[in-house]
Amino acid sequence: GDSVTQMEGPVTLSEEAFLTINCTYTATGYPSLFWYVQYPGEGLQLLLKATKADDKGSNKGFEATYRKETTSFHLEKGSVQVSDSAVYFCALSDIFGNEKLTFGTGTRLTIIP
Amino acid sequence: GAVVSQHPSWVICKSGTSVKIECRSLDFQATTMFWYRQFPKQSLMLMATSNEGSKATYEQGVEKDKFLINHASLTLSTLTVTSAHPEDSSFYICSAPKQTGGADTQYFGPGTRLTVL
Repeated sequence: GDSVTQMEGPVTLSEEAFLTINCTYTATGYPSLFWYVQYPGEGLQLLLKATKADDKGSNKGFEATYRKETTSFHLEKGSVQVSDSAVYFCALSDIFGNEKLTFGTGTRLTIIP
Repeated sequence: GAVVSQHPSWVICKSGTSVKIECRSLDFQATTMFWYRQFPKQSLMLMATSNEGSKATYEQGVEKDKFLINHASLTLSTLTVTSAHPEDSSFYICSAPKQTGGADTQYFGPGTRLTVL
């Protein structure tokens, strides 16, 4: 079945540091890929997505590129801020585009001033 | 953006009792809602799909008699954990799509932490 493997945390960085959170997946065909973020006390929110190979999703300074050859969707940000502290989840939906999501384990990110 | 709420945010109960968790879409209607379960340091696992006006669809390995789901209206789905035991302790999260089709339209509740003593 489909699966998502995500970099384990927690990750602690200083403000303005470069961020990478690794995500790889196993799926049949070409799924859609997502990054969700969960801020303290809130529900998961869609951060960015990519629906086909070589697509780049971006939002709030975060980027991730759908790499079919390496089955990866790594999340990056050039300069993190304290407000980026949250839990980040990589996820996929199957090729049929239904509403079921398969999630990674989540990575807790803490940014220190 | 769309908002999904859950109630309660946390609950502690004794073994053998039943616990009901509510999931509400506050500013949109949802004919379908999803219930996930999350163990510490593990992925969110889809438990079931709640369908308004019909029976819920359970994922393989999820006991439907244990986890009762009722989609009472277009804005409310409930998950009842019956005869709860300590192994049912977990973090339960619901989601609701604002549009039919397309996983990117899902909105998630903040979750409910259940602790069974």
